[in-house]
Amino acid sequence: EDQVTQSPEALRLQEGESSSLNCSYTVSGLRGLFWYRQDPGKGPEFLFTLYSAGEEKEKERLKATLTKKESFLHITAPKPEDSATYLCAVQPPPSNDYKLSFGAGTTVTVRA
Amino acid sequence: DAGITQSPRHKVTETGTPVTLRCHQTENHRYMYWYRQDPGHGLRLIHYSYGVKDTDKGEVSDGYSVSRSKTEDFLLTLESATSSQTSVYFCAISESGLYTDTQYFGPGTRLTVL
Repeated sequence: EDQVTQSPEALRLQEGESSSLNCSYTVSGLRGLFWYRQDPGKGPEFLFTLYSAGEEKEKERLKATLTKKESFLHITAPKPEDSATYLCAVQPPPSNDYKLSFGAGTTVTVRA
Repeated sequence: DAGITQSPRHKVTETGTPVTLRCHQTENHRYMYWYRQDPGHGLRLIHYSYGVKDTDKGEVSDGYSVSRSKTEDFLLTLESATSSQTSVYFCAISESGLYTDTQYFGPGTRLTVL
């Protein structure tokens, strides 16, 4: 069974204090790794898709990277509006469906 | 929310009663999914659909059924609700036929079974 583990479970940052979130996975032959942001009471919002080791994607203060066993979401100089739960999901090797396996998420709180 | 609506947004029901949740999309995407989200478990797939009248089970399908009679609508039914089905339910959609595919999520339905 595919395993997706996110760490830490919670992260409290001061505004401007950069940090990284980790997503490790056991699936081999990864088709894609996805990052989502989820605000309280709302559905997950798509951020990035990474397809191969070495790939990087950026959006504002967020940067996602991928290796063969894990992905990192780097938050540079965070602001209070970056407070959210960040979810990681993996898509296993080719099949006739597009099912995702999700991690439990990292809840980020940024204090002003 | 990528043209996805869910109804109702909140529902409280009693154990043993049937419940139907609706997901409606305006994107004409082929694939639709139902997930539940519980603390400590992340999002878990209940059922998914890869076309009208084409559905399959996910990892936590026991106690749930689905139907899709039109491209835009995907219904999730709890035939006889139990307290363990208290959760937040999310619908997602994705386009078809690609190497990898991004799923876009609706706003969710919070269901409480007393």
